Parts: sequence; C-alpha cells; structure tokens
Amino acid sequence: DAGVIQSPRHEVTEMGQEVTLRCKPISGHNSLFWYRQTMMRGLELLIYFNNNVPIDDSGMPEDRFSAKMPNASFSTLKIQPSEPRDSAVYFCASGALPGVKETQYFGPGTRLLVL
Amino acid sequence: DQQVKQNSPSLSVQEGRISILNCDYTNSMFDYFLWYKKYPAEGPTFLISISSIKDKNEDGRFTVFLNKSAKHLSLHIVPSQPGDSAVYFCAARRVSGNTPLVFGKGTRLSVIA
Repeated sequence: DAGVIQSPRHEVTEMGQEVTLRCKPISGHNSLFWYRQTMMRGLELLIYFNNNVPIDDSGMPEDRFSAKMPNASFSTLKIQPSEPRDSAVYFCASGALPGVKETQYFGPGTRLLVL
Repeated sequence: DQQVKQNSPSLSVQEGRISILNCDYTNSMFDYFLWYKKYPAEGPTFLISISSIKDKNEDGRFTVFLNKSAKHLSLHIVPSQPGDSAVYFCAARRVSGNTPLVFGKGTRLSVIA
C-alpha cells in the first residue's frame, strides 16, 4: 500500500491566490482528516469526513477555507484567497471510524508558504 | 482550550539513558491514548497506544504509562537511541463518541550520542 498520498509536497504562492491541496487516502479507510501544523498551535484538526460526508468542520479557521471529498479516494482542501498567516504544513490522514483502536495514518504533508 | 497538553517543547537525553515524555489531558471522557512520532519532512507515524482500562502498555523499548486519576500519561524510551530523535505527539480520543484524535503540541526529543 502506498499510504496516504498528498500533493503538492511544497507550494509557494502569493497572497490573494487560490491554493488547492490534494489527498488520496488509504484504500478501505472510511475516514479522512485534514490537519494544519504550526509552531504556535501544534497539530490542529481542520475538518474530518466519515464515508465522504463532512462531520465536523469547526476547526476550519475562516470561510476562506473549504474542503471536499467527492469520493472515497480523493479529497481537496482549498484556500481562497490565501494569506501569509496560512503558511503552515498541512497534513491529510485517513483511518477507520468507528473503531476502538483508531489509528490515523498521515500523509507526508504539504508545506505551504504564502508570500 | 487545549485538551491535551505537552508542557515540555523539547527534551535532550544522552544515548543509552531513559527518555521520559509527559502529557496531560483535561477531558475525563477520553478513554484511548496514543503517541505519534514525527521526523522532519514526514507525517506523524503511530508509535504506541493505551486504553483507559490499562495503566501500562509496553512495546520493545517503548512503554506508555497512564495515570487516570491525575489525567497524565508518559512515554518511556529505554534505552534511548539517536534514531529516536524526533517530535513526539501525544493524542487522545473518546472511543464511544466516535470522535477523532485530539493532539498535543508535541515535544522535540534529541538523543545525543
């Protein structure tokens, strides 16, 4: 299994531009999570999906952020318009919910720099 | 309000010695706890976990201890190796609530040869 795949691995953009981050979860996992990592706040959960349905998006910082999961094998996180404070590493993770032993498998992350 | 706290942002330990990483939580409904390890430019990877019905779980050099009354867990690495140098995240969840993991901010461990 290739694990969770994220693209791009690095993104540099200018303030005001649209950014789209992509994720392919592990086949068979029914839950997908988007996290943001910063020095100040650590790993923050932005949104998660269960069976392609958004369950909790309370972590999405602003309306500029949106996420979709059109099918079980693909999800996007979009920032429009981007701002310098959005610079962070964005991780996608997948797992199986519900389950007693929930282990989330993380992708390698997308490092975003907004100038 | 942070529900999972790792109060030490960094820790340095000499090779061969014991590393102890600490984690506190505030939500008494949490009943499953995990530790993740993260190397630079990689995503976090699962290391070890413990259910609230236990107070200790061991896997090779790694042992996690849970003190429910104190809402505290710790990860012990014995003996520490240079390859253990990474950021360690503590995470917790409420299994019955079908909720995702809540992570701490992480502790950067440096094992010095």
